[in-house]
Amino acid sequence: DAGITQSPRHKVTETGTPVTLRCHQTENHRYMYWYRQDPGHGLRLIHYSYGVKDTDKGEVSDGYSVSRSKTEDFLLTLESATSSQTSVYFCAISVTSGDSTDTQYFGPGTRLTVL
Amino acid sequence: AQSVAQPEDQVNVAEGNPLTVKCTYSVSGNPYLFWYVQYPNRGLQFLLKYITGDNLVKGSYGFEAEFNKSQTSFHLKKPSALVSDSALYFCAVSAAGNKLTFGGGTRVLVKP
Repeated sequence: DAGITQSPRHKVTETGTPVTLRCHQTENHRYMYWYRQDPGHGLRLIHYSYGVKDTDKGEVSDGYSVSRSKTEDFLLTLESATSSQTSVYFCAISVTSGDSTDTQYFGPGTRLTVL
Repeated sequence: AQSVAQPEDQVNVAEGNPLTVKCTYSVSGNPYLFWYVQYPNRGLQFLLKYITGDNLVKGSYGFEAEFNKSQTSFHLKKPSALVSDSALYFCAVSAAGNKLTFGGGTRVLVKP
């Protein structure tokens, strides 16, 4: 999984509670991403980061916030979880190849259930 | 805005037969196109990409994809499918940047 770890791998929580998911990379890549995967929707971008303290919104950012205080860690926070945020969450990094093109590589995912 | 369509939710194929997974895209400017595969309870694995150049791109595990600009398509192909190719396949597009847009995915079932 391209040197990417995600924690926790599984979490069950209750509506209204805060939740933080962690993505950790070992190779100091600049770009990191958070996606959610839902049946029929593929993967949708939540937020991404292009450096320490530099983040931007993606397609489905409402209800989520992110932080990146170190190059290797990208945190996703659900301030007050809702049942609609039950999903599988994937972190990705962007790796630049020898031909100067970028490819995203994904972590193993976190399965979040909000009851 | 950019978008990807994978018109088939599921593709069934017999082992040894050719496999095709369809993808069409919409993007402003030159497209960067990707295929990923997801096995059960795993993350997405990169298969191949098209950036420029030859319209036929070869990737991992014997897969290839054909870029067709006039039809805005990027279909994934494998000449002889294996049971182990059964998985969920995603097509994605980017317009000269890092933000990917994914299709909804196509489940491939290869029967012995």
